[in-house]
Amino acid sequence: EVQLVESGGGLVQPGRSLRLSCAASGFTFDDYAMHWVRQAPGKGLEWVSGISWNSGRIEYADSVKGRFTISRDNAKNSLYLQMNSLRAEDTALYYCVKDKVSGMGAFDIWGQGTMVTVSS
Amino acid sequence: EIVLAQSPATLSLSPGERATLSCGASQRVSSSYLAWYQQKPGLAPRLLIYDASSRATGIPDRFRGSGSGTDFTLTISRLEPEDHAVYYCQQYGRSPITFGQGTRLEIK
Repeated sequence: EVQLVESGGGLVQPGRSLRLSCAASGFTFDDYAMHWVRQAPGKGLEWVSGISWNSGRIEYADSVKGRFTISRDNAKNSLYLQMNSLRAEDTALYYCVKDKVSGMGAFDIWGQGTMVTVSS
Repeated sequence: EIVLAQSPATLSLSPGERATLSCGASQRVSSSYLAWYQQKPGLAPRLLIYDASSRATGIPDRFRGSGSGTDFTLTISRLEPEDHAVYYCQQYGRSPITFGQGTRLEIK
């Protein structure tokens, strides 16, 4: 069964850091690009960042550029998101998402998400 | 950044009817790299359509995607109660990847 399981969310104060992890199983992880997508409570979907199969192409939304870093470890079938200088507006459910292709394509598998709350 | 505008914001229809959801892009979406997702309450989104008109695995043929350039449509025929959800369009032809604001489909 194809599965993505996120972890690492929680309550954090503004300005602090948090690292999200995503464990992938049921597919050949290093064949596909991966992404993080977030959804603020009651709001729509916002793409955060994406990384190609070999980490050769990395993209960020302007809202997180310079603060967030995406990475992957193909040997561990894992995706990460290092989030620094967190702000209240980063509060959201963060989804780990599998791409259909090795570059940047549509998102065919979604995890259940991990909640990040930024508040003092 | 390519901005996607979805209409209508909310659609209320009866079972058996047909729903037409629109997605307009502020710039041409290259190679029709446009997808549609369904999100039911409390669940993660699910891919319905990719490359504007290709159905994802396991998606019934009641769901049909069409369009090119800047105008795209998701048509859901023979509505069922389980189609109650929010539907998002997404473009992945140019970074940053962007989503529309969503259309809420209510089944009477």
